[in-house]
Amino acid sequence: ETGVTQTPRHLVMGMTNKKSLKCEQHLGHNAMYWYKQSAKKPLELMFVYSLEERVENNSVPSRFSPECPNSSHLFLHLHTLQPEDSALYLCASSQGGGTQETQYFGPGTRLLVL
Amino acid sequence: AQRVTQPEKLLSVFKGAPVELKCNYSYSGSPELFWYVQYSRQRLQLLLRHISRESIKGFTADLNKGETSFHLKKPFAQEEDSAMYYCALLSGGFKTIFGAGTRLFVKA
Repeated sequence: ETGVTQTPRHLVMGMTNKKSLKCEQHLGHNAMYWYKQSAKKPLELMFVYSLEERVENNSVPSRFSPECPNSSHLFLHLHTLQPEDSALYLCASSQGGGTQETQYFGPGTRLLVL
Repeated sequence: AQRVTQPEKLLSVFKGAPVELKCNYSYSGSPELFWYVQYSRQRLQLLLRHISRESIKGFTADLNKGETSFHLKKPFAQEEDSAMYYCALLSGGFKTIFGAGTRLFVKA
């Protein structure tokens, strides 16, 4: 599959569960991003990795833990989430950062926390 | 504070009518601005970026630093333009700030 893929597409979890979201990009890009899209808020940047190093951490609670083992894969580990964490989580990638770097988005994982 | 404001949540126009989706930004430096679009059942994708001064699918956007605006315009709307549109500001490095989005509905 080409572009940016995300698994699972849908996830329901309890507040005590531990789960992980996976993102994979097949574009040869060097930067990867996690965004949160809630129903009533703008798209919020959570984390950015460039060349497998975290370069942005947007005051995200520690119950969200990112991992970038290589430039093609990005994970978001979830534990002890709250119902307000229910949202669409989008992954994106870009060739680099800075000026005019187009981001390519995945389809998202829709998360419901019960 | 760095911010992107899209004042309209919903914009409804008739096919063939002009359309303008408003975007205002707050940023102390030299802004890099984008419009992203999400069609129904598709993923978010780049529509255009200001520095390219391009026209994509008939849409254009001009950066007005005096008014701190980057409005998206099209002279004649088509039904296939119905989508969610997001204005975005590159806030240095890798950080992109998105507006809340405007849903455009083009009526036949």
